[in-house]
Amino acid sequence: AQSVTQLDSQVPVFEEAPVELRCNYSSSVSVYLFWYVQYPNQGLQLLLKYLSGSTLVESINGFEAEFNKSQTSFHLRKPSVHISDTAEYFCAVSGGNDMRFGAGTRLTVKP
Amino acid sequence: DGGITQSPKYLFRKEGQNVTLSCEQNLNHDAMYWYRQDPGQGLRLIYYSQIVNDFQKGDIAEGYSVSREKKESFPLTVTSAQKNPTAFYLCASRGQGFSPLHFGNGTRLTVT
Repeated sequence: AQSVTQLDSQVPVFEEAPVELRCNYSSSVSVYLFWYVQYPNQGLQLLLKYLSGSTLVESINGFEAEFNKSQTSFHLRKPSVHISDTAEYFCAVSGGNDMRFGAGTRLTVKP
Repeated sequence: DGGITQSPKYLFRKEGQNVTLSCEQNLNHDAMYWYRQDPGQGLRLIYYSQIVNDFQKGDIAEGYSVSREKKESFPLTVTSAQKNPTAFYLCASRGQGFSPLHFGNGTRLTVT
């Protein structure tokens, strides 16, 4: 089975600063990796995904993540955050029919 | 618009009662999932179903039951055997291959 570890439960950052949310996974098979974002009292929305090909994947709102097989990581980065990026972010891994999630990282962007 | 509908948004029950959470999708997805979310623990997989009339236990299936009689519907019953049922429950579906999950907006269950 797969598992995911998100290394930071909370990340406070000032507006326009860069941010990195860390994610490590473990799996005995090839995996597919995802980042989701959740706003209060809502479901999760897909932010970006790695299925194959280029190890650097980007979202439409400026986030990017890099798949690093040797370090079994899939960290999420943004060079300059906005107040509206405040939310909870979940890393997820799928190696088959199921999907496992990390515990989440609460990103708080301060003015 | 295609999507996943969970109802109701908020649900209150007394301890000892069974309760069923609804999940309907019109995305024509074969696979459907139920997760439980608790603060600081992320999402934990309860049950999932790849096709009609078939489902598998996830990591925390004890005290829960599901059915998959139709492709569009995957209701979750929280039984009185579930020791700590108060939580936020999320339903999701998935298309072919390793596509991402599509989530509903969740049901917040409070048992007192």
